Amino acid sequence: DAGVTQSPTHLIKTRGQHVTLRCSPISGHKSVSWYQQVLGQGPQFIFQYYEKEERGRGNFPDRFSARQFPNYSSELNVNALLLGDSALYLCASSFDVANEQFFGPGTRLTVL
Amino acid sequence: QKEVEQNSRPLSVPEGAIASLNCTYSDRGSQSFFWYRQYSGKSPELIMSIYSNGDKEDGRFTAQLNKASQYVSLLIRDSQPSDSATYLCAVKRGYSTLTFGKGTMLLVSP
Repeated sequence: DAGVTQSPTHLIKTRGQHVTLRCSPISGHKSVSWYQQVLGQGPQFIFQYYEKEERGRGNFPDRFSARQFPNYSSELNVNALLLGDSALYLCASSFDVANEQFFGPGTRLTVL
Repeated sequence: QKEVEQNSRPLSVPEGAIASLNCTYSDRGSQSFFWYRQYSGKSPELIMSIYSNGDKEDGRFTAQLNKASQYVSLLIRDSQPSDSATYLCAVKRGYSTLTFGKGTMLLVSP
């Protein structure tokens, strides 16, 4: 069975630009969570979606937004990129909000 | 503020030894506890989950949970060089999302 997939793998942007990251969960999983991981830190929670509804939001500015589609895939959008947004962005898939989360390979975002 | 604390100093063990990784958490309402392994440049991989006090064994891995002490640990028996990675502890309360520690790097020398 396919695991969680994310695209793109790597991305280089400049300050002020906008970026869209994409995630497809494991087949049958209905919940997607997004995390940001900077070097030397554990993943920090950004958003959680279940059945297309936002179920949780972490302590991130409004420049960060997300949505989940009817097929349970998800997008994370970041506007007005800052140098500090450079990080590994991780998508995690779970059957529902109570179950174990499985991570995709991540998208490495570099903001210059 | 919910916190998960892990030893930031790398843990070095020789091949074949037992590696012991520890984690403490501040939220007494935490109900689910996880250990993830993360190789350099890769994403976290779930290796153990534990929900009740006591020990849970899976192959060379044993997770131990003590809710009264707000402590969870991971033992790796017969450590191999391929176990060298950062180990992330994560906790969860109910339907909330995961809160991670910063991770402990394990180095297994041949």
